[in-house]
Amino acid sequence: GENVEQHPSTLSVQEGDSAVIKCTYSDSASNYFPWYKQELGKGPQLIIDIRSNVGEKKDQRIAVTLNKTAKHFSLHITETQPEDSAVYFCAASGGTYKYIFGTGTRLKVLA
Amino acid sequence: SQTIHQWPATLVQPVGSPLSLECTVEGTSNPNLYWYRQAAGRGLQLLFYSVGIGQISSEVPQNLSASRPQDRQFILSSKKLLLSDSGFYLCAWSPPSSLSNQPQHFGDGTRLSIL
Repeated sequence: GENVEQHPSTLSVQEGDSAVIKCTYSDSASNYFPWYKQELGKGPQLIIDIRSNVGEKKDQRIAVTLNKTAKHFSLHITETQPEDSAVYFCAASGGTYKYIFGTGTRLKVLA
Repeated sequence: SQTIHQWPATLVQPVGSPLSLECTVEGTSNPNLYWYRQAAGRGLQLLFYSVGIGQISSEVPQNLSASRPQDRQFILSSKKLLLSDSGFYLCAWSPPSSLSNQPQHFGDGTRLSIL
């Protein structure tokens, strides 16, 4: 069935360093890839998304890249800050209402 | 702007008791609505989605049911809770169904503990 693998499950970086989270999807029909940030006790918040007709998208310190041939996409956070500490989820969607979520990455930014 | 509300934020219920979790969306019409469950250390599992009043699709057969009595109201219910129903339940909305691959926006969830 459809699957999204997300790595790593935990990631610790020093403040100011970059963080990269990678996801691989199995359904070749997937064409929309959102990323969510979830803080403790809260619901996931959409932070950036990318569609299959685009290879890269940036929003200030956050960027997402997509490689359709390899069926993987990545979240890049530059100049990390303590408030970036959270759990990050990737997801893939193939034009239906259903998102397939990754299992999450717990990011810790060490001051 | 659009907002989504879920309540209660936390709930402790005994096994075998009924359940009703409510979700409402403001600032949009005819949204698509979703119920997810999030188990500890795992991703989000879609339980139900709705593209209109009275229209409910179930993704996972289980002890739960959903209803949409009004355009912007989505309810998750159970007649008899099981221990395995414990978890973090999230409601989400996305723009109307005529637009594909639209972002889903989540509420802050209900943490349900079954004793």
